[in-house]
Amino acid sequence: GQQLNQSPQSMFIQEGEDVSMNCTSSSIFNTWLWYKQEPGEGPVLLIALYKAGELTSNGRLTAQFGITRKDSFLNISASIPSDVGIYFCAGWTGNNNDMRFGAGTRLTVKP
Amino acid sequence: DAGITQSPRYKITETGRQVTLMCHQTWSHSYMFWYRQDLGHGLRLIYYSAAADITDKGEVPDGYVVSRSKTENFPLTLESATRSQTSVYFCASSESPGKVAKNIQYFGAGTRLSVL
Repeated sequence: GQQLNQSPQSMFIQEGEDVSMNCTSSSIFNTWLWYKQEPGEGPVLLIALYKAGELTSNGRLTAQFGITRKDSFLNISASIPSDVGIYFCAGWTGNNNDMRFGAGTRLTVKP
Repeated sequence: DAGITQSPRYKITETGRQVTLMCHQTWSHSYMFWYRQDLGHGLRLIYYSAAADITDKGEVPDGYVVSRSKTENFPLTLESATRSQTSVYFCASSESPGKVAKNIQYFGAGTRLSVL
């Protein structure tokens, strides 16, 4: 199935800066998920979103389910070195096995 | 420990050999998935299983075989490995993809496979 359009592909930021990334699609989704993958590990769930317009936080992370249901955003505030990793979005269309993934945003944080 | 585990973590094999990657989950989740992860492609679904003895193809199933005789195990077999199958393979499980809030997929740590 068509994958999600995730941007940016990579980010190099200074510790303490805020980060924003997003995922878009031409399809409508019922659920948006944001995962983080560290080197040598599998993706770990950060935030799950279930309603259009929903804004959910997990510590310094905040994600939003777009009003059109075709996009989602993830913000990280006051980044720290341990935020380094690849962040993936995933969208569920409502069909049983149809979970689609973005290609990931690789985040590097310079101390 | 509870969770989803994959083995081996690393595997090197030769073209034409058969390779089986193992996946085991302790949550009694109904659904299990196999993905491959390649640079620039994100996660692509190979096969999934809705329950024991029920499997179905995903986006990139060619060259792979799966089985699910027990709910907790979902092995992935490359019958005759090719270089294009060099990748990182992730297994995931989900309680019930058809229900909101129960459709979250939980991933194993992955198997890094190199086919020489």
